[in-house]
Amino acid sequence: DSGVTQTPKHLITATGQRVTLRCSPRSGDLSVYWYQQSLDQGLQFLIQYYNGEERAKGNILERFSAQQFPDLHSELNLSSLELGDSALYFCASSAIWDRGNTEAFFGQGTRLTVV
Amino acid sequence: AQKVTQAQTEISVVEKEDVTLDCVYETRDTTYYLFWYKQPPSGELVFLIRRNSFDEQNEISGRYSWNFQKSTSSFNFTITASQVVDSAVYFCALSEGLYRDDKIIFGKGTRLHILP
Repeated sequence: DSGVTQTPKHLITATGQRVTLRCSPRSGDLSVYWYQQSLDQGLQFLIQYYNGEERAKGNILERFSAQQFPDLHSELNLSSLELGDSALYFCASSAIWDRGNTEAFFGQGTRLTVV
Repeated sequence: AQKVTQAQTEISVVEKEDVTLDCVYETRDTTYYLFWYKQPPSGELVFLIRRNSFDEQNEISGRYSWNFQKSTSSFNFTITASQVVDSAVYFCALSEGLYRDDKIIFGKGTRLHILP
């Protein structure tokens, strides 16, 4: 168990709908990362938050947004869903980086199926 | 820009054979971090190793070993005496810098099949 909790584990929804994926990082970790894993694209970095602020952005679609709350949990919002958004969405967390410490721990993922 | 290339998309070996998974990276930074993660059929991502750019010492952990060579920008992973349970997708990853844009970028992964 990595200590990172993602809910829900599975989600099936229709095209055009909006969903929210939730991530609770490991206790004390300030950084949260979101990744999308689809069959043809591998693990794509979407966005990173650090202590409530956006820190880095990847190839995240405009239909997607995320935020990190004061209690450090994060939510990824996906709207106007398309069939191609079907994927495994991972959240990871890490502590403050320093030279001798830490790595990113991944949650179990949320499998999103858009029908 | 940072980039990770895993040229081997799929490898099959017979149990007990040794296998090496290749990873080549690109980065503009002098300080960076390299990782290997394992994704078994169950789907979770399991951390295997993190290596700092200023530490070129190779590492061995049981049947696993890693060869970091800055001169060739490579961070290869060897499994000795492979076992069926090693069957998984293995990802190499890279993160640049400290206290700034430290997103982790993954290679496309190598799917490893260990045949009994």
